Amino acid sequence: SQQGEEDPQALSIQEGENATMNCSYKTSINNLQWYRQNSGRGLVHLILIRSNEREKHSGRLRVTLDTSKKSSSLLITASRAADTASYFCAPSNSGGSNYKLTFGKGTLLTVNP
Amino acid sequence: DVKVTQSSRYLVKRTGEKVFLECVQDMDHENMFWYRQDPGLGLRLIYFSYDVKMKEKGDIPEGYSVSREKKERFSLILESASTNQTSMYLCASSFLSVETQYFGPGTRLLVL
Repeated sequence: SQQGEEDPQALSIQEGENATMNCSYKTSINNLQWYRQNSGRGLVHLILIRSNEREKHSGRLRVTLDTSKKSSSLLITASRAADTASYFCAPSNSGGSNYKLTFGKGTLLTVNP
Repeated sequence: DVKVTQSSRYLVKRTGEKVFLECVQDMDHENMFWYRQDPGLGLRLIYFSYDVKMKEKGDIPEGYSVSREKKERFSLILESASTNQTSMYLCASSFLSVETQYFGPGTRLLVL
């Protein structure tokens, strides 16, 4: 399994603004997932994008994937205070017995009311 | 909805005690995982299991063991708790290999 690296480590914005966080990885992947973690809680799956997809939307979330640059971005539009959380990416090259996901240290997003 | 439950939200134990952390999932998932999360270190995989009675070491298995006697239950065992095992422990499960993982709420363990 390989680890994604999220950037920036921390991001602080005002409610209503858009938030963009990035993820870079090192080797080829089959898919990449984004997760959210509210303080002191477990992770929640947000979205999965496959290597043959370039963009995916889910509500206010937009994820892009650029396999040539080995990077992905997560855009949250019209942010709300409830979006305050840590966000993690998890790239994977599934197959065989490779069941593992490796999570990075995440981006801590703070949305100020 | 998938539900992953963990036996305790908070736990305080003494050094040297044997500690059991239990995780149960209700979606008939083959794969189950135990992670620990520490400030500045992110999530690290301790052990995972891809079938009943099957287990594989993750990145930091030292000081831990696991048990999976039934498909829905995956236990993490600290044979002799130490202060450096104070952490947040997260359990997860998934259906297919390396697809979406569903997490429990976490157990915050303090070892004194």
